[in-house]
Amino acid sequence: DIQMTQSPSTLSASVGDRVTITCRASQSISSWLAWYQQKPGKAPKLLIYKASTLESGVPSRFSGSGSGTEFTLTISSLQPADFATYYCQQHDSYSLTFGGGTKVEIK
Amino acid sequence: EVQLVESGGGLVQPGGSLRLSCAASGFTFSSYAMTWVRQAPGKGLEWVSTIGGRGVFTYYADSVRGRFAISRDNSKNTLYLQMNSLRAEDTAVYYCARADGDLTGHLDVWGKGTTVTVSS
Repeated sequence: DIQMTQSPSTLSASVGDRVTITCRASQSISSWLAWYQQKPGKAPKLLIYKASTLESGVPSRFSGSGSGTEFTLTISSLQPADFATYYCQQHDSYSLTFGGGTKVEIK
Repeated sequence: EVQLVESGGGLVQPGGSLRLSCAASGFTFSSYAMTWVRQAPGKGLEWVSTIGGRGVFTYYADSVRGRFAISRDNSKNTLYLQMNSLRAEDTAVYYCARADGDLTGHLDVWGKGTTVTVSS
């Protein structure tokens, strides 16, 4: 199975900060990577798919990049609504796998 | 409006069974693979199972293979997860999600989840 490793697991930041989250795959997944945002008690929400395509309705301060085994999610200017947990997920294989999550906390 | 609504969760004893349902609306259900994802209390997301749009192909996580069975009724726009031989570690919120493809893909629509608690 393909393993997905996210870092950091926790990130403390302030409103207006630029934030970057990294996701590494144990083998190449081409660009078959998605990013999700989850707030407490809520279902995950799709932010980015195919590594860099912004889902409709998602603010442009979110961006994704990478291919193969290394991927990043960047929030260009952190807003109060962005404090949440973020997950990457690969769908290169039929066995989907998620990263362990990155919790973005208020500094 | 595209919507997924899960039901069927509850409290069950270890070794027991439960069937979850997920009612879909607002899209052509049979055109999409559907997936169950779970989240244990305080933990991350774990993929459980996926079924192709036509219901022919199914895929399972190692942790549930042989105990859980995914199925769908395209005439009723409903996804199911039959869970047998339940264990304490199956305790989680179970989400159904739509995959953007016939067999797999990113998960672009999610339900609000249903809670399964396995305890004596």
